[in-house]
Amino acid sequence: KQEVTQIPAALSVPEGENLVLNCSFTDSAIYNLQWFRQDPGKGLTSLLLIQSSQREQTSGRLNASLDKSSGRSTLYIAASQPGDSATYLCAVIETSYDKVIFGPGTSLSVIP
Amino acid sequence: EAQVTQNPRYLITVTGKKLTVTCSQNMNHEYMSWYRQDPGLGLRQIYYSMNVEVTDKGDVPEGYKVSRKEKRNFPLILESPSPNQTSLYFCASSFAGGTEAFFGQGTRLTVV
Repeated sequence: KQEVTQIPAALSVPEGENLVLNCSFTDSAIYNLQWFRQDPGKGLTSLLLIQSSQREQTSGRLNASLDKSSGRSTLYIAASQPGDSATYLCAVIETSYDKVIFGPGTSLSVIP
Repeated sequence: EAQVTQNPRYLITVTGKKLTVTCSQNMNHEYMSWYRQDPGLGLRQIYYSMNVEVTDKGDVPEGYKVSRKEKRNFPLILESPSPNQTSLYFCASSFAGGTEAFFGQGTRLTVV
């Protein structure tokens, strides 16, 4: 059964730092992987989606990489800002294109 | 505006009283899904639907029902709610299975 973990569970950094969030999954047979952010009391906002055939995706200050063979994805945030404070979740979509398995999330706090 | 709309946002009910949480999307998406989010357990998929009249169980379907009679609507039904169904519920949709997912704002359900 697919399991998704995220490290660290919580992270606090000063504004301006570059940081990396990690996501690991146990079954490499995935269709794609998606990163989300969740603000307190709100829904999830899609950040980046990486197809299984891709190695990385970029959007602004965000860069997500995927290494299927090792079961890992990283989300790199450059020049962090207080507005980046949120919980970041990764989710894998299985090759049947239907089931979605979420990681537990990393709670990020960027200190001004 | 493209969106996924859930109603109600907050609901307090008593054990055994049937309830329905509605979900509607205006993006003509084929894939829709329901999740529950609990502290320490993260987001878990309850049911999903690949298209009209096609629904399948996710990881935690017990105690829930869904229907997909129209493309835009995917209601979640709790026939006899119990306190262990107290949770934060999210509906999501995407163009197709495995593509970028869009989430509703969530429904916080309390069963007493």
